[in-house]
Amino acid sequence: ELKVEQNPLFLSMQEGKNYTIYCNYSTTSDRLYWYRQDPGKSLESLFVLLSNGAVKQEGRLMASLDTKARLSTLHITAAVHDLSATYFCAVAGGSNYKLTFGKGTLLTVNP
Amino acid sequence: EPEVTQTPSHQVTQMGQEVILRCVPISNHLYFYWYRQILGQKVEFLVSFYNNEISEKSEIFDDQFSVERPDGSNFTLKIRSTKLEDSAMYFCASSELGTSYNEQFFGPGTRLTVL
Repeated sequence: ELKVEQNPLFLSMQEGKNYTIYCNYSTTSDRLYWYRQDPGKSLESLFVLLSNGAVKQEGRLMASLDTKARLSTLHITAAVHDLSATYFCAVAGGSNYKLTFGKGTLLTVNP
Repeated sequence: EPEVTQTPSHQVTQMGQEVILRCVPISNHLYFYWYRQILGQKVEFLVSFYNNEISEKSEIFDDQFSVERPDGSNFTLKIRSTKLEDSAMYFCASSELGTSYNEQFFGPGTRLTVL
């Protein structure tokens, strides 16, 4: 059974600081997704990572994938308040690519 | 931009009642999914659907649950006899066949409250 572990689960940052969220998964997969969720809202796709060594950047967020280590990271650079949300990683598996989600990281960026 | 839509946005029901949650996937997508998220917890896979049949289901998706694609556009999740623990946000998702990304696009969700 595929397991996905995220850490930390809670992250309180000051504006302007950098931090990394980690996502480990237990079995081989070549598709990893990062989603953002605002309170009471749906899941917004941030990144799709398909291959070992993949790195994608959008604004202050950068995601990477190491399939050999079964590890993905979401790096936040110079955090701003607007980044406050819950961030989920999800790993695709099975014949229809069902997603297995991590527990999420609740990010709070303080002024 | 095409998007997945869901109705209703919020459903309140009494324990033991049947509910039907509706979804309209993106029109050229062929894989459909239901997920749920209990308040404050992670998103959990319920069921995937392709070519008019269930392709995979989780342990959560027991005999009380069923899915249907009654016409060319709607995709429904039925819970026959709701329990208190069915209270959650239910998300529908769809993805396009044959792309390397197989990215799943999520609808806005239906918040189900069972009293």
